[in-house]
Amino acid sequence: DSGVTQTPKHLITATGQRVTLRCSPRSGDLSVYWYQQSLDQGLQFLIHYYNGEERAKGNILERFSAQQFPDLHSELNLSSLELGDSALYFCASNRELEGEAFFGQGTRLTVV
Amino acid sequence: EDKVVQSPLSLVVHEGDTVTLNCSYEVTNFRSLLWYKQEKKAPTFLFMLTSSGIEKKSGRLSSILDKKELFSILNITATQTGDSAVYLCAVKGAGSYQLTFGKGTKLSVIP
Repeated sequence: DSGVTQTPKHLITATGQRVTLRCSPRSGDLSVYWYQQSLDQGLQFLIHYYNGEERAKGNILERFSAQQFPDLHSELNLSSLELGDSALYFCASNRELEGEAFFGQGTRLTVV
Repeated sequence: EDKVVQSPLSLVVHEGDTVTLNCSYEVTNFRSLLWYKQEKKAPTFLFMLTSSGIEKKSGRLSSILDKKELFSILNITATQTGDSAVYLCAVKGAGSYQLTFGKGTKLSVIP
C-alpha cells in the first residue's frame, strides 16, 4: 500500500455525463500528479499540483479540470464524457519534487 | 518533447532465467530515470537513477544508467512467477517534475 488513496475504484457512466475522481496523497506529500492510462497510449501525464497551486499541465483536455484543496487532497473533474475517455486514472504524490512518486490504486472509468 | 522507448514490448521466460529490459530516452536536461513495476493496478516504485547514482541494486533486481548513450537497463536474475508484471521506465526532464513514461515491457515468467 503506497499510502495514496483514490476513490472510487470503479466508475461506470454514460456519455455526456460529468464525474469527479478524488485523491488523497500520502501524509506530508505536497505534490499531486494525475495520469491517464489507456491501452494504446500508456501512462500519460495530465496535471501537477503543488501545495494548492497548479504547477504543470500535460495532455489534459479542456473538458477536464482539477484542483488541490487546502488539506492537500485533489479532485479531477471530467465532463462531457466520451467513449474514448474510458481509462484508468491514477493519482501520484511525492514529498520532494525531485523524488520518486508513489501511485494510488487508480480509478477505472468506463463510459458507455 | 521528452520520449521514452522500451524494448522488448513483451517477453516470456522460464523461472530461473535472467532477463534484461531496455529503456532508451530523449529528454531535455535529464534529471532522473525511474523504473516501476505494474502488476494489477498501481505502478510500484523500484529504482531511481540520477547523475549521482547510476547503478542501483535490490535483491535480484539491478539497474544501470548510461547517460552518454541515453539508455538504462533493468536486470532481473533468477526470475520467479511473482516477477510477472509490466515494467515501466520513466524520465524527468528540464523544468518539470512529472514523469514521461515508456509503454512498458510485459514480462511473463512461466514455471
